[in-house]
Amino acid sequence: DVKVTQSSRYLVKRTGEKVFLECVQDMDHENMFWYRQDPGLGLRLIYFSYDVKMKEKGDIPEGYSVSREKKERFSLILESASTNQTSMYLCASSLDLASTGELFFGEGSRLTVL
Amino acid sequence: GEDVEQSLFLSVREGDSSVINCTYTDSSSTYLYWYKQEPGAGLQLLTYIFSNMDMKQDQRLTVLLNKKDKHLSLRIADTQTGDSAIYFCAERAESGYSTLTFGKGTMLLVSP
Repeated sequence: DVKVTQSSRYLVKRTGEKVFLECVQDMDHENMFWYRQDPGLGLRLIYFSYDVKMKEKGDIPEGYSVSREKKERFSLILESASTNQTSMYLCASSLDLASTGELFFGEGSRLTVL
Repeated sequence: GEDVEQSLFLSVREGDSSVINCTYTDSSSTYLYWYKQEPGAGLQLLTYIFSNMDMKQDQRLTVLLNKKDKHLSLRIADTQTGDSAIYFCAERAESGYSTLTFGKGTMLLVSP
């Protein structure tokens, strides 16, 4: 089975702190994604990556950056956390663009910014 | 732009059928998906349908696609309390990087 692992299930940070959310997948998938999930807003795409060292902005990239130094790992970085970044963050991966596009999700990281 | 709409809440009794509806706007959609999210967990793919199909059945799940009206539905037969979850409809457009666009999710509550 494909496994997408998010290193932290729950985090509490203070405004202005730098936050790293880590995600690792074990199935050699080309594509990796970061979404945030908020009540009433569903899932919104922050950034995605289709190859090592490649990244593309999603629908809401402001306030975030990403890093993909290795194929299996995709990190989401909040340079200076703000209270409006309190959310559930979901990492996902997919095989490649030629496949069905099925996404495999991690369990999520719930971030609270005080 | 792409948009996926679905009703936010559905309540049914155990043993009844549930029907969750979804509409989308992108006519170039190639695949359409139904994902399930249980409390405190990530999303899990339930089923998907290719855009040249009208129907797909998988055990208790039936997906109907009306491409003309851009309408997708998920029917769950003999709904169980374990089916209580949030169900997300998603589409994959054949453009750019073909990322998925998700609806806001339908919370299904199954009462005994």
